[in-house]
Amino acid sequence: SQKIEQNSEALNIQEGKTATLTCNYTNYSPAYLQWYRQDPGRGPVFLLLIRENEKEKRKERLKVTFDTTLKQSLFHITASQPADSATYLCALHGGSQGNLIFGKGTKLSVKP
Amino acid sequence: EAGVVQSPRYKIIEKKQPVAFWCNPISGHNTLYWYRQNLGQGPELLIRYENEEAVDDSQLPKDRFSAERLKGVDSTLKIQPAELGDSAVYLCASSFQTGGETQYFGPGTRLLVL
Repeated sequence: SQKIEQNSEALNIQEGKTATLTCNYTNYSPAYLQWYRQDPGRGPVFLLLIRENEKEKRKERLKVTFDTTLKQSLFHITASQPADSATYLCALHGGSQGNLIFGKGTKLSVKP
Repeated sequence: EAGVVQSPRYKIIEKKQPVAFWCNPISGHNTLYWYRQNLGQGPELLIRYENEEAVDDSQLPKDRFSAERLKGVDSTLKIQPAELGDSAVYLCASSFQTGGETQYFGPGTRLLVL
């Protein structure tokens, strides 16, 4: 069956460290994969998109990698700050009719 | 530029009652999505519109859920009658076009069915 997994429900790190979140999937061949940030009581906000033919994408302190052989994406936040605390959702373009399929999310807490 | 607008933000109803949610997408966005998000889960697509046409409603429980997007702009999602298991956050999103990739989400409507 098709599955998308974010392997940590919660991740706690110290301010200034690099946060690494993982997204794994099975039985999909996504054309692209996206990462969203969701704060409590708000809708998800788009952060980054990476295509199947791209290995890495960067935006300021954010970096995403995409390994279609391992069927895995890694999301990194360098020099993390308490303001980065939120839930981060992985979404891949792979459902029926090309819809986005979301993972459950990883709740990141950055402690000062 | 205004974002996706949803109302109401919160709704508490008793089971078997009807409820409706309203969404106004970003101006110029042809594609509109309704998602349901249960606690601790990611959003799950209920229905996708391209302009006024529902192009994917395969995940919409049609016995009690209905949706419309008249004139290809605003959209309404209705549940009648509501059940306890319908308690969730209902999110509306829009994009410039399908395959437009980036989706812009509204704040959601938090529904509690008692």
